[in-house]
Amino acid sequence: SQKIEQNSEALNIQEGKTATLTCNYTNYSPAYLQWYRQDPGRGPVFLLLIRENEKEKRKERLKVTFDTTLKQSLFHITASQPADSATYLCALDGFGNQFYFGTGTSLTVIP
Amino acid sequence: DTAVSQTPKYLVTQMGNDKSIKCEQNLGHDTMYWYKQDSKKFLKIMFSYNNKELIINETVPNRFSPKSPDKAHLNLHINSLELGDSAVYFCASSQTGTYSYEQYFGPGTRLTVT
Repeated sequence: SQKIEQNSEALNIQEGKTATLTCNYTNYSPAYLQWYRQDPGRGPVFLLLIRENEKEKRKERLKVTFDTTLKQSLFHITASQPADSATYLCALDGFGNQFYFGTGTSLTVIP
Repeated sequence: DTAVSQTPKYLVTQMGNDKSIKCEQNLGHDTMYWYKQDSKKFLKIMFSYNNKELIINETVPNRFSPKSPDKAHLNLHINSLELGDSAVYFCASSQTGTYSYEQYFGPGTRLTVT
């Protein structure tokens, strides 16, 4: 079965630094990988999508990389702000519109 | 306007009861989903459904059944509720196609079985 792991359940960083979150997967080779943000008491919100043939994708302060050899995606938030504090989820797009989510990383940006 | 809405937001019920959670999307999407998020915040897909096909996650007990009266609605019906069914249930929708599309999630329904 698909196993998707995200680094450490919780990550604390200082405001202004770059946060790097990791998503590792096994037993599958997805064509697409997505990242979501989830705030307490709310549903996940889509952030970025990257294809297997794309090495990197950027959106404002966000950057995602996708290494299909390592079976890993990295999610970076540059110049982090306290408002970036949330749980971040990676999701693999499987067959038949089946999405498999990672375990999530709770990010806290300390002022 | 809310893109994906769910009702109720909170549901407290006793073991053995049958309950339903309603979901509606106004985005014109063809595919809708139900997810379960447990106490450890792990989000697990239960069903994906479009007007052609229902795909069931094999680990979902058959006490759970999705019902779609039309393309904009996908309700979740649960029979004989158990303590382990306590979780937050999210409905989501997306476009359908060969490409991968972002999912839009509802606000969630917190189900507590006592």
